[in-house]
Amino acid sequence: AQSVTQPDIHITVSEGASLELRCNYSYGATPYLFWYVQSPGQGLQLLLKYFSGDTLVQGIKGFEAEFKRSQSSFNLRKPSVHWSDAAEYFCAVASYSNDYKLSFGAGTTVTVRA
Amino acid sequence: DTGVSQNPRHKITKRGQNVTFRCDPISEHNRLYWYRQTLGQGPEFLTYFQNEAQLEKSRLLSDRFSAERPKGSFSTLEIQRTEQGDSAMYLCASSLARYPDTQYFGPGTRLTVL
Repeated sequence: AQSVTQPDIHITVSEGASLELRCNYSYGATPYLFWYVQSPGQGLQLLLKYFSGDTLVQGIKGFEAEFKRSQSSFNLRKPSVHWSDAAEYFCAVASYSNDYKLSFGAGTTVTVRA
Repeated sequence: DTGVSQNPRHKITKRGQNVTFRCDPISEHNRLYWYRQTLGQGPEFLTYFQNEAQLEKSRLLSDRFSAERPKGSFSTLEIQRTEQGDSAMYLCASSLARYPDTQYFGPGTRLTVL
């Protein structure tokens, strides 16, 4: 069964500082990887995705993520955090063998301090 | 592109009552998914449709839950005889039946069972 681990439940970062959110997945097949962001009481917004090709992918709001097959990781980064980046971030995995249903991690809550 | 819409956004009900939620997917999307999200957790898959056919139901979906997508457009999720444990955010997502593809989420329906 596929699983997704986000080791950090909560991260606090200063505005303007860099941010990295970790995501590890357990999967035997070719994974398709996603990062979503959720503001309080809202649905999920897609930040970026990896299907194939260049392992460094760019997303919206200045985010990027790098797929490392050898480490089964898909970490999300942003060089300079804005106060509006405070939210909950979810890593998700899909695959052919699971008919492309999404499996989500438990999420990482990001707090931005002034 | 009007996005995925869900109604109502909030529902408060008493234990034992029936509730029904509606999801309108992005118009050209053939696949429609339902997820449930409890506090502090990532979304969990409940069920999904390809056009009007329901392809899979999670074991999380007890007999009290039923979902339909009668004409392959909007979908409804009904919970009968609600229990306090049903309190959660119910999220709907849609995608093209093109593999792999991105699921786009609606704003969710927050259910509170008193």
